[in-house]
Amino acid sequence: DGGITQSPKYLFRKEGQNVTLSCEQNLNHDAMYWYRQDPGQGLRLIYYSQIVNDFQKGDIAEGYSVSREKKESFPLTVTSAQKNPTAFYLCASGTGSNEQFFGPGTRLTVL
Amino acid sequence: QQQVKQSPQSLIVQKGGIPIINCAYENTAFDYFPWYQQFPGKGPALLIAIRPDVSEKKEGRFTISFNKSAKQFSLHIMDSQPGDSATYFCAASRGYQKVTFGTGTKLQVIP
Repeated sequence: DGGITQSPKYLFRKEGQNVTLSCEQNLNHDAMYWYRQDPGQGLRLIYYSQIVNDFQKGDIAEGYSVSREKKESFPLTVTSAQKNPTAFYLCASGTGSNEQFFGPGTRLTVL
Repeated sequence: QQQVKQSPQSLIVQKGGIPIINCAYENTAFDYFPWYQQFPGKGPALLIAIRPDVSEKKEGRFTISFNKSAKQFSLHIMDSQPGDSATYFCAASRGYQKVTFGTGTKLQVIP
């Protein structure tokens, strides 16, 4: 099956910890994206990558980091510098036609 | 100028009714206008999309109406069903640039 997978589905973080969210796609898409979704709010762009080994900050990049070493993978690290990380995190991949395909999401909770 | 304004924030309709969700944009360079549907705890899924060279597009019970001069577009759901209850996001983008999302409309279709 072609698609986007995110893991884990649920993640709990203690104060001061860094955690990494996984995103993998087998759609052969060049572009990949990370969004944050808070209750009752829209999607806010954290980071995006249009090609391997290159990525750009989105609207709310502070406290997050990413890497894009492989076309299929775009992991997101939520660092201890992110003061309010509890949210639903969505990964997406896309084509040049702008259509984006989303993964099932990871719900991160700070304990 | 990158903002996409979406209304209403929430909407309740009876089964068989026609909910209408509206979006407005400022950037006249946008050339791709998708709508996404999101069920609770899931990632958004592309529902239907339009480009500015047409004024209307239908796919099944879903219709996008596009008014280029007013910089507005809307989603209509014909013969709405309880299974259509979800959050709907409009979005806009240009070329390979990042997608700008609206804030979402939570639709409830009551039997």
